[in-house]
Amino acid sequence: GQNIDQPTEMTATEGAIVQINCTYQTSGFNGLFWYQQHAGEAPTFLSYNVLDGLEEKGRFSSFLSRSKGYSYLLLKELQMKDSASYLCAVRDPGNQGGKLIFGQGTELSVKP
Amino acid sequence: DAGVTQSPTHLIKTRGQQVTLRCSPISGHKSVSWYQQVLGQGPQFIFQYYEKEERGRGNFPDRFSARQFPNYSSELNVNALLLGDSALYLCASSRGTGLENTEAFFGQGTRLTVV
Repeated sequence: GQNIDQPTEMTATEGAIVQINCTYQTSGFNGLFWYQQHAGEAPTFLSYNVLDGLEEKGRFSSFLSRSKGYSYLLLKELQMKDSASYLCAVRDPGNQGGKLIFGQGTELSVKP
Repeated sequence: DAGVTQSPTHLIKTRGQQVTLRCSPISGHKSVSWYQQVLGQGPQFIFQYYEKEERGRGNFPDRFSARQFPNYSSELNVNALLLGDSALYLCASSRGTGLENTEAFFGQGTRLTVV
């Protein structure tokens, strides 16, 4: 089956660091994505991992371990505007396509 | 450059009606995927089209159908609308099929409300 798990909610303080975890079990794997989605808006791309290890992009970093079916998104120097839902998605090659299988999203609240 | 554009942005329909949603991918992108996002949940895959051919279909009833045109734009049709079809419908475009290491970019979505 296809299963992607991430915490439903997290709260953190402005200026702090937060780590959002994601575990997955999918029939196929061709990369893991993290998206940010503000309420009522479309998801925006944050990061992509296909090989094991850490990818760093400014205040955001993402880690992948394919053997463990595990990823995390690390947000540093949190700002109030980082309050949003963070979506973990696995790309399943399936029928020669590339559908994304999403977790339910982690609602992050950044407090002053 | 224009991003992924979807129309309309909001729509209200009555149960039993039919609806057509439209998506124009980023210029140069040949793949379009459709997702349904119910409030509080992650997007659920409905269809993927590449070069006008269906490359994937999610777990949705036959009331849902889609197609891709020669200019790579796409339409999603939903017949016999149910209250449970109320959701944000997202279109994503990517350069390749998705087997390649390419990003998927989302449009702003169409908010469909069925009453």
